[in-house]
Amino acid sequence: KAGVTQTPRYLIKTRGQQVTLSCSPISGHRSVSWYQQTPGQGLQFLFEYFSETQRNKGNFPGRFSGRQFSNSRSEMNVSTLELGDSALYLCASSLADSRQETQYFGPGTRLLVL
Amino acid sequence: GDSVTQMEGPVTLSEEAFLTINCTYTATGYPSLFWYVQYPGEGLQLLLKATKADDKGSNKGFEATYRKETTSFHLEKGSVQVSDSAVYFCALRSTDSWGKFQFGAGTQVVVTP
Repeated sequence: KAGVTQTPRYLIKTRGQQVTLSCSPISGHRSVSWYQQTPGQGLQFLFEYFSETQRNKGNFPGRFSGRQFSNSRSEMNVSTLELGDSALYLCASSLADSRQETQYFGPGTRLLVL
Repeated sequence: GDSVTQMEGPVTLSEEAFLTINCTYTATGYPSLFWYVQYPGEGLQLLLKATKADDKGSNKGFEATYRKETTSFHLEKGSVQVSDSAVYFCALRSTDSWGKFQFGAGTQVVVTP
């Protein structure tokens, strides 16, 4: 079974631009979560989607948004990029609602904002 | 809210030494507990998990026991290798908030030959 895939793997943007990151979960997984990882702040939760609905959200400004499609694929968008948005963005998927379910992570998209 | 606290790194060890990474948590109900590992330039990989009190998760020589009385889930390995050099994250999955994951800050482990 293929793992979680994220595209693109690397991205360079300039301040003020917007960016869209894509995540394809493991087949059959309906929950997709997004995280931002930086050396200073560690791993921070952005949001989670389940069956096309956002059901958890972290403390990020409205510039960060996401969506999930009917095939469970998810996209994350960041508008009006700032230098501080440079980070590794990780996507994770899990099978269902159960608290026992494991999250499986993709390799991440490394975003550099100049 | 739920939270996870793990020991700060970096932890530097010689090959074949004993490794312990402390992890404690605060949560309502009975969360599931996880250890993830992140190698340089990669995403997080599940190392082991435990879903109820007194469960022991184990994988690749690593072990951790879910201790509800001390709200802890310490990671141990008896004899580390250079290839164990990575960042280790302790995490819990809440019983509320639709099973939201909460991660610790991560502990970097460096194993020298």
